Amino acid sequence: GESVGLHLPTLSVQEGDNSIINCAYSNSASDYFIWYKQESGKGPQFIIDIRSNMDKRQGQRVTVLLNKTVKHLSLQIAATQPGDSAVYFCADGRANAGGTSYGKLTFGQGTILTVHP
Amino acid sequence: NAGVTQTPKFQVLKTGQSMTLQCAQDMNHEYMSWYRQDPGMGLRLIHYSVGAGITDQGEVPNGYNVSRSTTEDFPLRLLSAAPSQTSVYFCASSLSGGDYGYTFGSGTRLTVV
Repeated sequence: GESVGLHLPTLSVQEGDNSIINCAYSNSASDYFIWYKQESGKGPQFIIDIRSNMDKRQGQRVTVLLNKTVKHLSLQIAATQPGDSAVYFCADGRANAGGTSYGKLTFGQGTILTVHP
Repeated sequence: NAGVTQTPKFQVLKTGQSMTLQCAQDMNHEYMSWYRQDPGMGLRLIHYSVGAGITDQGEVPNGYNVSRSTTEDFPLRLLSAAPSQTSVYFCASSLSGGDYGYTFGSGTRLTVV
């Protein structure tokens, strides 16, 4: 079946550095992509999403880049803080022509981000 | 708002037992889903619902049943627990099909012995 995968399972950075977490996806029909953050013992927390008709979207300290040509997604975190330490997942889904999700997400394996003070 | 509430937080079952994992949301969300998360893996979709009375299978539905009689509740039933169902289970909801950002509950850690 289709899957969403990650290039690196772990990433260690120094506080204040910028972090880049990568994700490769295989379903060329995916219509939207989401990044989630999961802290130990908690459920995933929504960070940012991007539709397939966009190549970049910015949030607070985060930027998601989408390259549909090579089926690659990245999450950039600016000025990484110790509180950013967590597992980060990318997920993808499909929507109809009106942009309404079909309700199914496919998650990648996850990247462990560790921020050192 | 309490968000997405899952009960119980922890459960130990014997092989062959059945049980229901509860999930409730108070945000009037139409979409609800159940995922399982195994060590070192991402979340895998078990069942999902796009509205009351509508459910469908996800990636790993075998051994699980769901129903959606109300907008608020989406229980997950394990029919005959097996050790392979040891996992952390997450329930999630989103307002509508145009809202891609699901809100997740805090999870139920299930061990089947």
